[in-house]
Amino acid sequence: DAGVTQSPTHLIKTRGQQVTLRCSPKSGHDTVSWYQQALGQGPQFIFQYYEEEERQRGNFPDRFSGHQFPNYSSELNVNALLLGDSALYLCASSWGRRAEVNYGYTFGSGTRLTVV
Amino acid sequence: QKEVEQDPGPLSVPEGAIVSLNCTYSNSAFQYFMWYRQYSRKGPELLMYTYSSGNKEDGRFTAQVDKSSKYISLFIRDSQPSDSATYLCAMGRYNNNDMRFGAGTRLTVKP
Repeated sequence: DAGVTQSPTHLIKTRGQQVTLRCSPKSGHDTVSWYQQALGQGPQFIFQYYEEEERQRGNFPDRFSGHQFPNYSSELNVNALLLGDSALYLCASSWGRRAEVNYGYTFGSGTRLTVV
Repeated sequence: QKEVEQDPGPLSVPEGAIVSLNCTYSNSAFQYFMWYRQYSRKGPELLMYTYSSGNKEDGRFTAQVDKSSKYISLFIRDSQPSDSATYLCAMGRYNNNDMRFGAGTRLTVKP
């Protein structure tokens, strides 16, 4: 049973460029959340998608946007990249609407984004 | 003051030792408390999930929550080299999907 898969694993982009990261949730999961983990820090919540809609958003600017497809997979887009966007981007999947259920996330291994 | 405080370590112990990892928090709205383990170059993996104050045990792991002191702990008994990882505490509020993490404690268990 495949867990959460993310692609690509590593990415180097230039400041000002745009990037798209992809995530396939664990089989049976319908909710996808995205987190940003800076070096030496804990993950920070970017947003969550359920039923193809952004259900909740963390404290991130509009440069960060996402999408969820009918097969529950998801994309994270970041526009106008800044040096400070360099981080590990984690996708986490779960099932259903209830937050207290979603806390038991299954995380992917992440995409390491470096902005130069 | 950060909402969730966690000593980053690093913490180094000999194999077989009892490990104690701790987090404090400031937001009394937190009701759900999790511990995740993160190996190098991997995503976090859920270890323990507790709701109320008190203890929860799973094998060699015990999670403890003291809501009155806003303090949570994870104990690892008979620690193994395979336990070497970063341990992240995380907390959630009712009907809120924004889970808040501590910065993580790096643990090394030496053979």
